Amino acid sequence: DAMVIQNPRYQVTQFGKPVTLSCSQTLNHNVMYWYQQKSSQAPKLLFHYYDKDFNNEADTPDNFQSRRPNTSFCFLDIRSPGLGDAAMYLCATSPGRGRGGNEQFFGPGTRLTVL
Amino acid sequence: AQSVTQPDIHITVSEGASLELRCNYSYGATPYLFWYVQSPGQGLQLLLKYFSGDTLVQGIKGFEAEFKRSQSSFNLRKPSVHWSDAAEYFCAVVGSGGSYIPTFGRGTSLIVHP
Repeated sequence: DAMVIQNPRYQVTQFGKPVTLSCSQTLNHNVMYWYQQKSSQAPKLLFHYYDKDFNNEADTPDNFQSRRPNTSFCFLDIRSPGLGDAAMYLCATSPGRGRGGNEQFFGPGTRLTVL
Repeated sequence: AQSVTQPDIHITVSEGASLELRCNYSYGATPYLFWYVQSPGQGLQLLLKYFSGDTLVQGIKGFEAEFKRSQSSFNLRKPSVHWSDAAEYFCAVVGSGGSYIPTFGRGTSLIVHP
């Protein structure tokens, strides 16, 4: 089945130790998104790629970066995690502009713990 | 800019009872509308969507939603709730003028009593 896969499902890191979360998709979608979700809150968009074009949300901290080496993969790098970065990180994909309203397909998420 | 309001933070129902979750949006035209469900520790899953046409849309798991232009609403309904429906529900809108980034509501947590 076509899907969005996130690895790892759970990640524990130490304060200030860099961490990379990965996302892959088999849907061949143009757009890939990274969201941060804290408890009992809506997902907060960090950035997204439309094909190779990177789009950063204005309030995304510089501590967060992303890479999309090809259509299928996208990575979230947190350079120096702080305690406030502990959250669920969701990857999503969508077909893109003008295509069926751009329904999003989500991965299962990576739960990040910062010690 | 578009916005979404889900006025209820928590909804509690008994198993077997009917359910309605409210969603109101603000947008200059008719947007694309979505309802997603999130079980604990999981990603979001699409329940249903409205683009155009019939204002009553059917989704998965027995859910339906009705688009009411005059009220700028897209409320989610289910005639008989099951314990497994306990989850977080998010309403989302995407502008129909070429935009593709959704705006999410803050979510409604559904609690189901046996």
